Amino acid sequence: DAGITQSPRHKVTETGTPVTLRCHQTENHRYMYWYRQDPGHGLRLIHYSYGVKDTDKGEVSDGYSVSRSKTEDFLLTLESATSSQTSVYFCAISESGGLVDTQYFGPGTRLTVL
Amino acid sequence: AQKITQTQPGMFVQEKEAVTLDCTYDTSDPSYGLFWYKQPSSGEMIFLIYQGSYDQQNATEGRYSLNFQKARKSANLVISASQLGDSAMYFCAMREATGFQKLVFGTGTRLLVSP
Repeated sequence: DAGITQSPRHKVTETGTPVTLRCHQTENHRYMYWYRQDPGHGLRLIHYSYGVKDTDKGEVSDGYSVSRSKTEDFLLTLESATSSQTSVYFCAISESGGLVDTQYFGPGTRLTVL
Repeated sequence: AQKITQTQPGMFVQEKEAVTLDCTYDTSDPSYGLFWYKQPSSGEMIFLIYQGSYDQQNATEGRYSLNFQKARKSANLVISASQLGDSAMYFCAMREATGFQKLVFGTGTRLLVSP
């Protein structure tokens, strides 16, 4: 199993509050990703990182920011949570980012915004 | 734009039988990769199998094989000798060679294996 942990695993918060989710890897992989999973949509990419301090937007990045100050940690921040951000959030890692490079996923974080 | 379609919301199969989960894709990039993931009820995403667009042979990994038909743009997952533990959601995904490292997922198929 890829060494990926996510914290917290479950969180309930209120609309308008800031929330930070953490992804930690022990594989020293260069690429890290944040996805959200919603019924009827599969998984959708929020942001990704291709190195320390190097990040870029995915297809559903509005309302989210990320930071990567160390190879092993990738943080996802909801500056002001909304009910539409209730979802399951998955972190993934990959070694090289190439076409054949497989992404391995963390266990997920279930976020509920009331 | 790349797109993945999984038309079967749910499939049923009896233990020990084979089952095919459908996946069609759309892309204008000649170079791409196709992936299948399994998501059991516990929620984690488990990588199963990969097929590259230039691979001459269909990918196989144990009881999983990928029926890759490039002209039809389909990449169906075949599970042989189904087991009760195969009950899960299955997602097809694609990555193109161009653009950033986006893995685009289908909406998934829920497989239920009965005794």
